[in-house]
Amino acid sequence: QQQVKQSPQSLIVQKGGISIINCAYENTAFDYFPWYQQFPGKGPALLIAIRPDVSEKKEGRFTISFNKSAKQFSLHIMDSQPGDSATYFCAASAGNTPLVFGKGTRLSVIA
Amino acid sequence: KAGVTQTPRYLIKTRGQQVTLSCSPISGHRSVSWYQQTPGQGLQFLFEYFSETQRNKGNFPGRFSGRQFSNSRSEMNVSTLELGDSALYLCASSPSGTGELFFGEGSRLTVL
Repeated sequence: QQQVKQSPQSLIVQKGGISIINCAYENTAFDYFPWYQQFPGKGPALLIAIRPDVSEKKEGRFTISFNKSAKQFSLHIMDSQPGDSATYFCAASAGNTPLVFGKGTRLSVIA
Repeated sequence: KAGVTQTPRYLIKTRGQQVTLSCSPISGHRSVSWYQQTPGQGLQFLFEYFSETQRNKGNFPGRFSGRQFSNSRSEMNVSTLELGDSALYLCASSPSGTGELFFGEGSRLTVL
């Protein structure tokens, strides 16, 4: 049973455009929702994270939107750049339980 | 501060063999987690060790095992390798096991 469903699997965005990746979860005990970015040949690295007491968190060009009632959260990348081309993973955890990851979205930003 | 170091980075084994992968966490981090990454399944949790004790375990067969040493370094072992074990094995450390995970670059295992 996949606990975090991520979509789309792949995404192509024009340079300067907005990239949007969505995730949905079922476990209402989840209280930590990070996004990780992974470049080829590298391990994933934390990009931005949110807890359910806020509905939005912004760091530079990256924004997480969180909808607790719908059990959904999304990553928005504003003014997407070719350097943002990577695989993005959403994840969730509850307390001391391990992070559960979505299956990833491969983002390609084309000039 | 040095990051998470995993060795070896690449290895090729044949079915039936066993393999041991090593992970050195960031200094001061007491929690080490292992994940298997494959194109079809994404990142799947194997196990987490904290202060030499296995604290969480994922849904993998008993062929997958691990341990953590007193200096927080960790090893994972896969016995009786199968073709389906071909994957990138990622180690991640954190100070306490909650919050941000710091990943290494992984050990890419190919089973022939």
